[in-house]
Amino acid sequence: SAVISQKPSRDICQRGTSLTIQCQVDSQVTMMFWYRQQPGQSLTLIATANQGSEATYESGFVIDKFPISRPNLTFSTLTVSNMSPEDSSIYLCSVGVKQGANTEAFFGQGTRLTVV
Amino acid sequence: AQKVTQAQTEISVVEKEDVTLDCVYETRDTTYYLFWYKQPPSGELVFLIRRNSFDEQNEISGRYSWNFQKSTSSFNFTITASQVVDSAVYFCALRRYNQGGKLIFGQGTELSVKP
Repeated sequence: SAVISQKPSRDICQRGTSLTIQCQVDSQVTMMFWYRQQPGQSLTLIATANQGSEATYESGFVIDKFPISRPNLTFSTLTVSNMSPEDSSIYLCSVGVKQGANTEAFFGQGTRLTVV
Repeated sequence: AQKVTQAQTEISVVEKEDVTLDCVYETRDTTYYLFWYKQPPSGELVFLIRRNSFDEQNEISGRYSWNFQKSTSSFNFTITASQVVDSAVYFCALRRYNQGGKLIFGQGTELSVKP
């Protein structure tokens, strides 16, 4: 398994500002992902954080709005840039960990962001 | 295209009732994985089960059971003798064989168990 720590756990931010969310894993992992969960909605994959190269973004998400860093195999950051109230969501970090023949997904506790 | 549908947005039951949460998925892959996660009010995602597409055996874990039927592309989740602590949002998810930890989630079903 993997223990994932996200910081901050919650924040209230002013529109137009940016927030950087950190994700720290207690072991080296190949796969790291960032998800968004808008209020009352399901989880949507934002991007795959690639170590040593640019993140791979899903349709509807762009690097200018959600820049991602992945400096090593245990750490990643997601920045929510130029925030608006529509960015109010829970942002979750997830890692894929090989366990035998399978890859299991583990999630951080999430960062609850409110933009005012 | 890959898709997961949880048609039940909200379910409310009284404690000790049995409740089934439906999940229907779409994929053209022959090998894939299905998951159920629980999200209590605190927000974290709690892993409940993973099922491989080549294993249609149903599974029981305490009060929880899962019914996987490839013929109807369904992976339903039943809670027997529900308890108030079961109140949460439950997500069904699909993962393609070669997609590592990348999941496609359903819309979620909010279960409320009243005393």
